[in-house]
Order: sequence, then structure tokens, then C-alpha cells
Amino acid sequence: NAGVTQTPKFQVLKTGQSMTLQCAQDMNHEYMSWYRQDPGMGLRLIHYSVGAGITDQGEVPNGYNVSRSTTEDFPLRLLSAAPSQTSVYFCASSRPQGQTEAFFGQGTRLTVV
Amino acid sequence: GDSVTQMEGPVTLSEEAFLTINCTYTATGYPSLFWYVQYPGEGLQLLLKATKADDKGSNKGFEATYRKETTSFHLEKGSVQVSDSAVYFCALRRDSGGSNYKLTFGKGTLLTVNP
Repeated sequence: NAGVTQTPKFQVLKTGQSMTLQCAQDMNHEYMSWYRQDPGMGLRLIHYSVGAGITDQGEVPNGYNVSRSTTEDFPLRLLSAAPSQTSVYFCASSRPQGQTEAFFGQGTRLTVV
Repeated sequence: GDSVTQMEGPVTLSEEAFLTINCTYTATGYPSLFWYVQYPGEGLQLLLKATKADDKGSNKGFEATYRKETTSFHLEKGSVQVSDSAVYFCALRRDSGGSNYKLTFGKGTLLTVNP
């Protein structure tokens, strides 16, 4: 089972460049989320989606865009990369009902120079 | 808002030592509580969970009990192994009020176990 797949695993960008981090899940989960992980900060929610066509902002949305055209995919776009966006990014998916767990991808380590 | 506070690391132990990582939370209502583990270079994996007061989650020798009176969910293991070296995250999720998409994480505790 693939679970949650993130690509790429590593990326280096120059300041001002744009890119898209890909996230796909094959578990038919309604909920998908993007988190960033920074040293000493834990994981912070960037954007989330409760279903295809529905997205909303989390705690730290500035500089990022998302869309959810299908249940499976939830890409994260950096419009104009800044050094402050150097981080490890995790995508997660889960079902909405009951006390179910969230499944995480392997992460994308992004460095902006 | 919701918050999770877990003990600062890093924690360094010898093999077979007893482990406790403290976690306390602030949240309205009755959240579900989780411990996630992140091994080097990998994503987060669910280690254990508890969904109501006095529940005990357990997995791979790790245990944690949901204590509503002290708003705590401390992680324990009686005898750690080198393979337990990882970062451990305590997290909560409110399962009502339309917030059950979101996990609120503590800052993480790095555990290193030496042979």
C-alpha cells in the first residue's frame, strides 16, 4: 500500500522561484493537510482540505497556495520562495469520522537560498 | 486555543533504562490524544492514541494514559532500546466542533539511546 506519497523528497530553490510540492494518497481519505516542521517548533498547519474543492487556511498560510481538484491529490504551491520557507514539509490525510489516525508522507526537505 | 506542551529534549538514556516523556495539554472539550514517532529521515508514524479519559494507549512497549484531571498524556517505556532513538511528538485533536481535521503538536522530544 502506498499510503501518502510526497514528491520531491529534497529540493533547493533560489529566492523568488516558485514550485509545487506534490502530495497524493490512495486511501480515499476526505481530509488532507500540509504541515511544516521547524526545529523547536513542532509541526504547524499551513493549509487543509476537508474534501475535493474545499480548502482553508491553517496557522501559517502566508506564501503558500493549495487546491484540491480530486480526492487523491493536494499540491502545495510556493509562489515566490523566501529563505523563511526553508523547512521540512509533511502532507497528511485522514478520515473525518470517528477517532481515526492521520497518515503522514515521508516529507519534503526544502532549502531556499 | 489548543496547545500541547512536552518536555524539552534532548533526552539521552542507556539501553534498558526507563523512559518518561511528559506531555500536558490545553483544549476545550474532550480531545483525542496521540503520540507520534519520527525515526531519522522518515515521516511521522502513529505510536499510540487514547480517545477518552482514563484510556491507556500502548504499542511496542510504550504506554500513555489519558489523565483528564491533570490534562496529561505522559509517554513511558520500561526498558528502552537503541532502536527507540527518534523524535517523539505529543499531539491532540478535537473531535467535535468541526476541528477534527487538525492535529495540534508539541515541539517534539529527541530521544537518543546509547548501547
